[in-house]
Amino acid sequence: DTAVSQTPKYLVTQMGNDKSIKCEQNLGHDTMYWYKQDSKKFLKIMFSYNNKELIINETVPNRFSPKSPDKAHLNLHINSLELGDSAVYFCASSQHSGRGEETQYFGPGTRLLVL
Amino acid sequence: GEDVEQSLFLSVREGDSSVINCTYTDSSSTYLYWYKQEPGAGLQLLTYIFSNMDMKQDQRLTVLLNKKDKHLSLRIADTQTGDSAIYFCAESGANNLFFGTGTRLTVIP
Repeated sequence: DTAVSQTPKYLVTQMGNDKSIKCEQNLGHDTMYWYKQDSKKFLKIMFSYNNKELIINETVPNRFSPKSPDKAHLNLHINSLELGDSAVYFCASSQHSGRGEETQYFGPGTRLLVL
Repeated sequence: GEDVEQSLFLSVREGDSSVINCTYTDSSSTYLYWYKQEPGAGLQLLTYIFSNMDMKQDQRLTVLLNKKDKHLSLRIADTQTGDSAIYFCAESGANNLFFGTGTRLTVIP
């Protein structure tokens, strides 16, 4: 059974378009994340939601808007796509315990290419 | 903010041991992790170590933690071609993980 799933796996689109990436986890976790991995493979966090509430919002253009309809889903909507948005986007989830051992489980990634 | 550093590349011959090193800055990190990313795939949790441990062994993997020097290492014994991947170390923050830049391990047959 897939623990953290993302759709689509690949996304090729034109500059200026609006697109969404979906993430779902069936682990019963209460915290979900979006990461961006650039062409040099550096991973950076973008957003974190705990129980549908935003708790981390790093310096990300406001063209990126996360939406969490429930604890099991965290979708990423991107407006007016730019060339620099091309990257691999990873969703992850964890169970927040407050003790620091919240192992994050990652989805397979969505490869976004903006032309 | 937290800073996690790794060397970018490592090449080893098949059958040799690989040692991937990582340094971190946040001494309050409770857990430290090693993730593996194979080509075209997502991140896979390999192992983690609690900050009050010095060593953890899991089959071919040995994690060593020097908390005084804030140094973490991952040793892979009898490295195989299937071990070729990018290895990320990460330290736990309050609500997040902070990742290193990743070390690309190349195994030469």
